[in-house]
Order: sequence, then C-alpha cells, then structure tokens
Amino acid sequence: KAGVTQTPRYLIKTRGQQVTLSCSPISGHRSVSWYQQTPGQGLQFLFEYFSETQRNKGNFPGRFSGRQFSNSRSEMNVSTLELGDSALYLCASSLGAGTRYAYEQYFGPGTRLTVT
Amino acid sequence: AQTVTQSQPEMSVQEAETVTLSCTYDTSESDYYLFWYKQPPSRQMILVIRQEAYKQQNATENRFSVNFQKAAKSFSLKISDSQLGDAAMYFCAYRSLNNAGNMLTFGGGTRLMVKP
Repeated sequence: KAGVTQTPRYLIKTRGQQVTLSCSPISGHRSVSWYQQTPGQGLQFLFEYFSETQRNKGNFPGRFSGRQFSNSRSEMNVSTLELGDSALYLCASSLGAGTRYAYEQYFGPGTRLTVT
Repeated sequence: AQTVTQSQPEMSVQEAETVTLSCTYDTSESDYYLFWYKQPPSRQMILVIRQEAYKQQNATENRFSVNFQKAAKSFSLKISDSQLGDAAMYFCAYRSLNNAGNMLTFGGGTRLMVKP
C-alpha cells in the first residue's frame, strides 16, 4: 500500500503571498490531520478533516485553512504569509473511525515551507 | 488542555547498549492513548509504540518497550541493544479519547545519538 504523500516537498514563498499544500492519504483512510513543526514551537496540531468535514481545529489564526475532497485528499492553505510561517508542514492519515486502531496516524514526509 | 513534556533534549547511547527516554504528561482524563514516534533525519515520522491507558501491561515492540506509570503520569521509552539506525528525534505524544477526532499533543522531542 502506498504511504502518505505530500506535494510539493519544498517551497519558497515571499511574505504576503499565499500557499497551498497537498496531502494524499493512504488508500482507505478517511482522516487527514495537519501539523506544523518548527524548532521553536515543536509539533503543533493545525486541524483534522474526516469525510470532508473539519473535525478538530488547533489554535492557529484564520489565515490557516484546509479542506478535504471526496477522495480524502486534503489541502491546506496559508494566506498572507509571514516569516514565522516557515516550517515543516506534516500531514498524517488514519482510518478515522470504525476499528480499534482507527486512531493510528501515519505521517507523510512533509512540505518544507520557507517564507522570505 | 493536555501537555506533554520531554525533559531530555538530547541523549546519547553506545551501540548495543540500552537507553531510556523520559516523558511526562498532564491530563485530567482517565482514558487516553500514548505514543512514541521516531523522526530520523530528513525522513518521515514513524510510529514506534503505542500504549492504551486502560491497559496496565506495558507495551513492547521488539527492542522497544515502555514503562507506563499512570498515577505518576509518566511514559518512558526503553530501547535495548541500540543500533545506529535508532539515531533520530523521538517524540512522545498524547491522544485524548474525549472527542471523536484525531489530535495528537506532542512533547518537545529528544534527539538520540548512537555512538559506534
């Protein structure tokens, strides 16, 4: 089974621009979660989508948004980029419901975003 | 809100020896999951071991085992017979069972170095 894929792997943007990151979950997984990883703040939860609905949201400003498509692929968008948005953005997929281990999350390789 | 603390930013171990990574957490919940994740340099995060809080028996996966002390809110990871491939960042993570969603709260991580 193919793992979680994220595109692009690397991205350089300028302050004020917007960016869209994509995540394709493992086949059959309906939940996609997004995390931001920075040296200063560590790993922080952004949001989770399950069956095209946002199920959980972390403590991030409204500039961070996401969506999920009917095939479970997810995108996250960051508008009006700030220098502090430079980070590794990880997505993780899981079954999301239905079995004892539905909660186990499998991570993608991440998208490294640099804002200049 | 739950918090997870890893008090050892860096640890080192000699190849073939045993090392223990510490993790403490704060929660008022009685049922939850705990995880250790491994993030090798420039590679994606993988699940090492899981522990369900209602289980008294400590989880074991090959050379990896945990010491789960629920009353003390402690969840340490023991790596036996350390190998060079064990060198990585290790993250302790908490998942609440109080909502249906998938949100992990991570500790700050411990960088493990393995000396040949």
